[in-house]
Amino acid sequence: ETGVTQTPRHLVMGMTNKKSLKCEQHLGHNAMYWYKQSAKKPLELMFVYSLEERVENNSVPSRFSPECPNSSHLFLHLHTLQPEDSALYLCASSQDTDLNTEAFFGQGTRLTVV
Amino acid sequence: AQKITQTQPGMFVQEKEAVTLDCTYDTSDQSYGLFWYKQPSSGEMIFLIYQGSYDEQNATEGRYSLNFQKARKSANLVISASQLGDSAMYFCAMREFDSNYQLIWGAGTKLIIKP
Repeated sequence: ETGVTQTPRHLVMGMTNKKSLKCEQHLGHNAMYWYKQSAKKPLELMFVYSLEERVENNSVPSRFSPECPNSSHLFLHLHTLQPEDSALYLCASSQDTDLNTEAFFGQGTRLTVV
Repeated sequence: AQKITQTQPGMFVQEKEAVTLDCTYDTSDQSYGLFWYKQPSSGEMIFLIYQGSYDEQNATEGRYSLNFQKARKSANLVISASQLGDSAMYFCAMREFDSNYQLIWGAGTKLIIKP
């Protein structure tokens, strides 16, 4: 496999459920990101990990909990979500966090909270 | 205030024609980078092109070029000889020197190429 892989591609969960989104990158990158993409809104950066350390947490509710066990894997643990959390969740990675470094994205997980 | 503005929510373009997608930005940093990404219906964001604020020449990548007008704070994407496969959402994004981790995104332009 190459690139950034996200699983599952689609997820429907109830507000009382606990689920996890998984992201895996095979690019040897040192930084990984979680983004939320809602309809008709710009992408929102949620979390950034650089060298497995969380370096950014953009005031994300605690019902979203990231985990980066190693430089290739990133998880987003979900619990007691709200319907407004329904969105496309995109994972990305980049070689580093320098100004000119592009990010490579996965295909996203389409999350629906019912 | 919005830092990245894409004024065209949607565009229809005839196949093989050139198309320009608008992007204006707002920053007080002297050092920043501008990116364009393409998002087809499959969901994946695909990097297209990058322009640094100190780059004197407009960036080009194959059929993509970036019309960078620094004084106007605009970074329009030009796609030459459009193809049906170019139909997608296109996003402009900016990274400022003072916030290296953050890519600030525009709302996107939906481009549809007509056969």
